Amino acid sequence: SAVISQKPSRDICQRGTSLTIQCQVDSQVTMMFWYRQQPGQSLTLIATANQGSEATYESGFVIDKFPISRPNLTFSTLTVSNMSPEDSSIYLCSVNRGSYEQYFGPGTRLTVT
Amino acid sequence: AQSVSQHNHHVILSEAASLELGCNYSYGGTVNLFWYVQYPGQHLQLLLKYFSGDPLVKGIKGFEAEFIKSKFSFNLRKPSVQWSDTAEYFCAVIAGGGADGLTFGKGTHLIIQP
Repeated sequence: SAVISQKPSRDICQRGTSLTIQCQVDSQVTMMFWYRQQPGQSLTLIATANQGSEATYESGFVIDKFPISRPNLTFSTLTVSNMSPEDSSIYLCSVNRGSYEQYFGPGTRLTVT
Repeated sequence: AQSVSQHNHHVILSEAASLELGCNYSYGGTVNLFWYVQYPGQHLQLLLKYFSGDPLVKGIKGFEAEFIKSKFSFNLRKPSVQWSDTAEYFCAVIAGGGADGLTFGKGTHLIIQP
């Protein structure tokens, strides 16, 4: 398995501002993923982040809105830019440790007012 | 692109009842299948997985799932549920390559009444 931490665990932000979410893994991993879980909904993949390359975004998600950094093999950030109430969600990172299994962080609960 | 369908969004059972949660996926190629569980206030945990081999897989806490390729199904079962099984259950799939993210079903909210 993997130990994954996320910061912040929750935040309340104003419309139009940006929030950067951090994801830290206890050991090196090649692939990291960012998901969104909107209230009462399932998880939706935002993007895949590999170290040393640009993140790959899923349909409906763009880099200008959700810029991602992956500076090393244990860390990644997701920024939610120019936030609106529709961005209120839980944001989760996950890692793939060489198999198909993914392990998830505790999530960041974002509320936009 | 693949998709996942979970048939029941809310299930209420009494303790000791048997459980079966339906999951169907749509993808023509090789898939890897998962069930994840999210207990109240906790983060998402892997319950069990299927990659290949024996289509009946066993997971943690007495759960099992059966992969039926002809039906594109991966239903979750437990013979006798406990109050502590109250949680949200998600079926998920990765297409064959494994380098992609998971595609999740909408989830089933399971409530076990004591």
